[in-house]
Amino acid sequence: NAGVTQTPKFQVLKTGQSMTLQCAQDMNHEYMSWYRQDPGMGLRLIHYSVGAGITDQGEVPNGYNVSRSTTEDFPLRLLSAAPSQTSVYFCASSLTGRSSYEQYFGPGTRLTVT
Amino acid sequence: GDSVTQMEGPVTLSEEAFLTINCTYTATGYPSLFWYVQYPGEGLQLLLKATKADDKGSNKGFEATYRKETTSFHLEKGSVQVSDSAVYFCALSDRNSGNTPLVFGKGTRLSVIA
Repeated sequence: NAGVTQTPKFQVLKTGQSMTLQCAQDMNHEYMSWYRQDPGMGLRLIHYSVGAGITDQGEVPNGYNVSRSTTEDFPLRLLSAAPSQTSVYFCASSLTGRSSYEQYFGPGTRLTVT
Repeated sequence: GDSVTQMEGPVTLSEEAFLTINCTYTATGYPSLFWYVQYPGEGLQLLLKATKADDKGSNKGFEATYRKETTSFHLEKGSVQVSDSAVYFCALSDRNSGNTPLVFGKGTRLSVIA
């Protein structure tokens, strides 16, 4: 049982490039989400999904796309990278979206956009 | 909207000192409250949680009590160890908001010196 996995661990992009951050979980969780962590800002929600085929925007969705074609995978796409997207990105999952359920976090992807 | 305010860090303590990290929240509904911990280079992991007023969450010697009257969920530990050095995040999930992404505080960095 690997939990929540994220790849890559580190990435450097040039402004304007696109890429996909991968996230997978093997716990059959319905609910998955993406956060970004910036110094002094805590974690901010980018997008989330309550099940395969269903996604919704969080607090800071601009510049990012997501899709959820399977229960296991929830990739995050940067369409045209900007220096403001330099951050650490965390994927998380939980059994359902109910408030009492613990969210499990992946180890993070550190992205630098130059 | 919902928000979490926690004390600014960094906090530096000597081993065996008493720890308090303050956390207060604003929520339109009746939230569940969480403390997450992030060790260096890792993702977040749940430390403890409470889902209703007067509940006390506890784990690894840490405790926090859900105080509805003061909208607080302060984290305490009687005797910290060097291994407790980490960033601590207070978070809430508001069950009245439907699907319930976590709302995080900005985090408090704790350093414990021997």
